[in-house]
Amino acid sequence: AQKITQTQPGMFVQEKEAVTLDCTYDTSDPSYGLFWYKQPSSGEMIFLIYQGSYDQQNATEGRYSLNFQKARKSANLVISASQLGDSAMYFCAMSPSNTGNQFYFGTGTSLTVIP
Amino acid sequence: SQTIHQWPATLVQPVGSPLSLECTVEGTSNPNLYWYRQAAGRGLQLLFYSVGIGQISSEVPQNLSASRPQDRQFILSSKKLLLSDSGFYLCAWIPLGRGTDTQYFGPGTRLTVL
Repeated sequence: AQKITQTQPGMFVQEKEAVTLDCTYDTSDPSYGLFWYKQPSSGEMIFLIYQGSYDQQNATEGRYSLNFQKARKSANLVISASQLGDSAMYFCAMSPSNTGNQFYFGTGTSLTVIP
Repeated sequence: SQTIHQWPATLVQPVGSPLSLECTVEGTSNPNLYWYRQAAGRGLQLLFYSVGIGQISSEVPQNLSASRPQDRQFILSSKKLLLSDSGFYLCAWIPLGRGTDTQYFGPGTRLTVL
């Protein structure tokens, strides 16, 4: 069975500080993709970052980086230098290769950036 | 350019009324398309996905249905809405040529059933 777990319902971070949002996953498929999305109050789902299960290096996209620990089955999102506009819901997702590009989403973490 | 559209943006419908939500994509052919529902304050629930015209897979049995009458059109329907159908409906697709099977989402439709 495929499962994504986000254990932090809500997080707070001071502006300009870094924050880590946790995500663990479970799959028996050796090939999979891991994704993070941001959902501001407007509702749109914005793709942030992707990590492939065979990628040797952690993915980075600007202020976003993915701390991929394959043995622990974790894919934490690190946001550096937080900005007020980072306040949003953040969802972790997994797509095993044998499921026809189906995505499995976590329940999300609400991040609030404090000025 | 490759884009995805959804309409309407918001909808208020009475219980028992029909529903039709539309999703269209541009700039590609034969994309995988997905319908998700997000209840207030919750995560995303996959409802249907389609890998081609007329090919629909259902993930959750309910009073909703989906159709793909054209390559770049995906429609979510219901004959009789329930209160529990209220939520935020998102269409997603996987654009070609971006190197990874990343799903990108449309702007969503916020449905309120009264």
